[in-house]
Amino acid sequence: GIQVEQSPPDLILQEGANSTLRCNFSDSVNNLQWFHQNPWGQLINLFYIPSGTKQNGRLSATTVATERYSLLYISSSQTTDSGVYFCAVVVSGNTPLVFGKGTRLSVIA
Amino acid sequence: GAVVSQHPSRVICKSGTSVKIECRSLDFQATTMFWYRQFPKQSLMLMATSNEGSKATYEQGVEKDKFLINHASLTLSTLTVTSAHPEDSSFYICGVRPSSYNSPLHFGNGTRLTVT
Repeated sequence: GIQVEQSPPDLILQEGANSTLRCNFSDSVNNLQWFHQNPWGQLINLFYIPSGTKQNGRLSATTVATERYSLLYISSSQTTDSGVYFCAVVVSGNTPLVFGKGTRLSVIA
Repeated sequence: GAVVSQHPSRVICKSGTSVKIECRSLDFQATTMFWYRQFPKQSLMLMATSNEGSKATYEQGVEKDKFLINHASLTLSTLTVTSAHPEDSSFYICGVRPSSYNSPLHFGNGTRLTVT
């Protein structure tokens, strides 16, 4: 099956810093989503981005489908950005999301 | 739009009992719902695909007789953990995609199960 690799696995940032999280996938995908899992376990939809670039406030994401990677940018990080960021992909049709192992982000004041 | 409700959010049960978890799509219909499990500090792993009106499809290694899935309507799927044991303690979460295939998956808030 498809492999989804995220890097870095762990990241510690000073409040106000910027960061880039990467997601590589081993095969063509039909769909890609980025999630933020907060300390209570809730999965927050950040982006649905099978290709192209999207921005939402301090967050933006870019997927280059032909090169099989996606990037999530976090600017001016805040302590509330802490948690685990997951990238997940769909290979085709109505199949389930396959998750990467996540990037655990800690933003310290 | 695309709200998914999952109940209960947290449950503690004794070993040997059964626990039912509900996943509802509140403002859309879905023929397919997905159940995931997440152990501490790990990623989400697919357990099964729940299909409305037919049998669920289980991933390799997931016991279908232990994790009973019922998808009786286009807005409700249930996961029953039967004869729960401490090793079943985990975070269970459902994901639902509106009927259009090229649309994002939306997740409930998850259920944290602790078996004592």
